[in-house]
Amino acid sequence: DIQMTQSPSSLSASVGDRVTITCRASQGISNYLAWYQQKPGKVPNLLIYAASTLQSGVPSRFSGSGSDTDFTLTISSLQPEDVATYYCQKYNSAPWTFGQGTKVEIK
Amino acid sequence: EVQLVQSGAEVKKPGESLKISCKGSGYTFTKYWIAWVRQMPGKGLEWMGIIYPGDSDTRYSPSFEGQVTISADKSISTAYLQWSSLKASDTAMYYCARLGGAMDVWGQGTTVTVSS
Repeated sequence: DIQMTQSPSSLSASVGDRVTITCRASQGISNYLAWYQQKPGKVPNLLIYAASTLQSGVPSRFSGSGSDTDFTLTISSLQPEDVATYYCQKYNSAPWTFGQGTKVEIK
Repeated sequence: EVQLVQSGAEVKKPGESLKISCKGSGYTFTKYWIAWVRQMPGKGLEWMGIIYPGDSDTRYSPSFEGQVTISADKSISTAYLQWSSLKASDTAMYYCARLGGAMDVWGQGTTVTVSS
């Protein structure tokens, strides 16, 4: 099965900082990559699908890029409400594996 | 409004059986796959499997095959996740989600606690 590896596992940044999270697939998955945000105690929420398409209603400070095996989620200007754990997920074929998550905190 | 509504929290003893549900509304239930996701306390998301309610085609993660059963009743727009014999290690939050490409709509989650 294809493994999904995120880095870093956690980060602390200041409000207004640019934040980048990476996700690497152990085999090529084209652009079948999604990013989810899970705020503490809340249900996960889809941010980006098809590697770079912003889900309706998601703020434009979030963006995604990449294809094949290397992907990036970028928050252009970190806001207090962005404190959450972020997960990537492949969905080209079963099993639809998640990355282990990246916890984002405010410095 | 498209939504998935899950059944309520459960507290069970080891060895007991359990079936939790996920009811879809606001869209054509038979045309979208439904996924189940486990989140153990303080841990990440784990993809368990998916079902296509239109024909009950089901796929399981290797980690969960044989441990749970995923089913659906399209007549009442409801998907299910069931265990025949619960273990303490099944204690977790369980989410269902619609597969609109990626998982675009999520249920509110069902907490399952297994303790003697």
